[in-house]
Amino acid sequence: EAQVTQNPRYLITVTGKKLTVTCSQNMNHEYMSWYRQDPGLGLRQIYYSMNVEVTDKGDVPEGYKVSRKEKRNFPLILESPSPNQTSLYFCASSLGVYETQYFGPGTRLLVL
Amino acid sequence: QKEVEQNSGPLSVPEGAIASLNCTYSDRGSQSFFWYRQYSGKSPELIMSIYSNGDKEDGRFTAQLNKASQYVSLLIRDSQPSDSATYLCAVKTGANSKLTFGKGITLSVRP
Repeated sequence: EAQVTQNPRYLITVTGKKLTVTCSQNMNHEYMSWYRQDPGLGLRQIYYSMNVEVTDKGDVPEGYKVSRKEKRNFPLILESPSPNQTSLYFCASSLGVYETQYFGPGTRLLVL
Repeated sequence: QKEVEQNSGPLSVPEGAIASLNCTYSDRGSQSFFWYRQYSGKSPELIMSIYSNGDKEDGRFTAQLNKASQYVSLLIRDSQPSDSATYLCAVKTGANSKLTFGKGITLSVRP
């Protein structure tokens, strides 16, 4: 089944404790992206990657890192999480830059 | 700052009615337009994509694009309670194909 997977789906952590949210797609998509969704603010792009080893900042990159060492994986790293990073996170992928993006199931993060 | 605006909601319609959802965008260079549906607690799922001026129909859904006026709309005919969800308008612009979302509008279809 073609899909985008994210892990973990739910995470509670404390301020300053490094964490990684994994994202993987099995559709051989080149384009991958991370979003966060907050009430009243909608979906905002954090980082995106147009191909392996090519990443760039989205609208709200502060406090996040990403890497794209393999085509299928695009992990989101929070080196020192803070409470304002409490949010619902979505990974998405698409075949090419103008193609439809498919979303993962989401990761709900709470930073205490 | 490229913006995508959706008319304020929530929107409530009776079952069987036509629901009309509107979206405007600020960047004239925008090239691809999408409507996503998001049920509470779930991820967005694509309903329609439209790339050229005019109407595009898919079942009960019709997307309309007017690049001169910079708006895109979604019509849902014969609305069903299962259509109750938040609808997100998204616009792609530029070589990096950045996808900018509107804040969404919540639709409620009353049985």
